[in-house]
Amino acid sequence: DSGVTQTPKHLITATGQRVTLRCSPRSGDLSVYWYQQSLDQGLQFLIQYYNGEERAKGNILERFSAQQFPDLHSELNLSSLELGDSALYFCASSGRQGRWSLYGYTFGSGTRLTVV
Amino acid sequence: AQTVTQSQPEMSVQEAETVTLSCTYDTSESDYYLFWYKQPPSRQMILVIRQEAYKQQNATENRFSVNFQKAAKSFSLKISDSQLGDAAMYFCAYRTDSGGGADGLTFGKGTHLIIQP
Repeated sequence: DSGVTQTPKHLITATGQRVTLRCSPRSGDLSVYWYQQSLDQGLQFLIQYYNGEERAKGNILERFSAQQFPDLHSELNLSSLELGDSALYFCASSGRQGRWSLYGYTFGSGTRLTVV
Repeated sequence: AQTVTQSQPEMSVQEAETVTLSCTYDTSESDYYLFWYKQPPSRQMILVIRQEAYKQQNATENRFSVNFQKAAKSFSLKISDSQLGDAAMYFCAYRTDSGGGADGLTFGKGTHLIIQP
């Protein structure tokens, strides 16, 4: 157990639908990152939150959004789903400065999204 | 933007032999971090080793070591005494730090490592 919890582990949904993926960071970590892993695009950074605020944005589609709550858990919302959104979605967490130097990034086990 | 290139989509090695996975990157920064992650069939992302660019000494973790050539922007991973459990996808990654708490990882496409018994 890495300390980062992602739910659900698997999700199957139809095109056009909306889903929410959840991530609880490692205890003490303030930053949460979302990554998408697909066969054609590889591992792509989507977005980062730090202590509730958006810090960095990567290749995140407008149909996707995320937020981080006061208890530091984060949710990634994917809407108007298309077949091409089928992928493994990872969450990672990290601390700042000294804590980052010790622990770096910790990844969850991912959510496998299948759009049919 | 930083880019990370892994030119070997697949590598194969005999058990107990040594294998080197290649990685090159492009950056204009002088201080940064580089990583190798392992992704076995379970899909879990596991940190193998990390290197801080300002450190001259190559990082080592048991059977895993890196050859970090900063001027050449090269960061290869050497696995000694390969074991069946080393079979996995290996990703090279660069830590992007944009300041103000904004950071993240840029990954290469990965190298699929096969261990022949």
